[in-house]
Amino acid sequence: GQNIDQPTEMTATEGAIVQINCTYQTSGFNGLFWYQQHAGEAPTFLSYNVLDGLEEKGRFSSFLSRSKGYSYLLLKELQMKDSASYLCAVRVNTGGFKTIFGAGTRLFVKA
Amino acid sequence: NAGVMQNPRHLVRRRGQEARLRCSPMKGHSHVYWYRQLPEEGLKFMVYLQKENIIDESGMPKERFSAEFPKEGPSILRIQQVVRGDSAAYFCASSRTGDEKLFFGSGTQLSVL
Repeated sequence: GQNIDQPTEMTATEGAIVQINCTYQTSGFNGLFWYQQHAGEAPTFLSYNVLDGLEEKGRFSSFLSRSKGYSYLLLKELQMKDSASYLCAVRVNTGGFKTIFGAGTRLFVKA
Repeated sequence: NAGVMQNPRHLVRRRGQEARLRCSPMKGHSHVYWYRQLPEEGLKFMVYLQKENIIDESGMPKERFSAEFPKEGPSILRIQQVVRGDSAAYFCASSRTGDEKLFFGSGTQLSVL
């Protein structure tokens, strides 16, 4: 089966750094994505990893270890607008590509 | 370049009625995915379609639910004889090829009374 785990909620302070972890057990792994979703809105793409290592994009970085089935999203210099759900998603190839999502981590940024 | 368009934004149905949700993918995208999201939960994969073909419908209930993506026109997710448990947000996403990132529509919030 396909399984993706991430913490349900996290709280952090404005200006700080937060790391959101994701572990997965999937077959046909073909890449890992992070999406941001504000309440009542559509998910928007943040990052993509297919090889091991760190991908950096501004205040956001994402890391992948395929051997450990592990990824994290790092958010630096937190802003209030970063309060949202962060969805870890794995693309799998099971005869056709599809992307499956974890339950999401709700991040609350406090002043 | 318009994004993924879903309509209606909100849909209210009584138990036993039919719900039809529409999704127009981004221009140039031929891969469409439907997801369902309950409050404070993640996105649950339902079905993956390419033009005129269902590629993977492993996440779709066997009864009452169907999806299509015709050669011309939007993709349609159809729910027959809706029940209260069908109340959820239904998101459509599209990609240019099967191995690219997804672009999501704003979703349709279905409420069954």
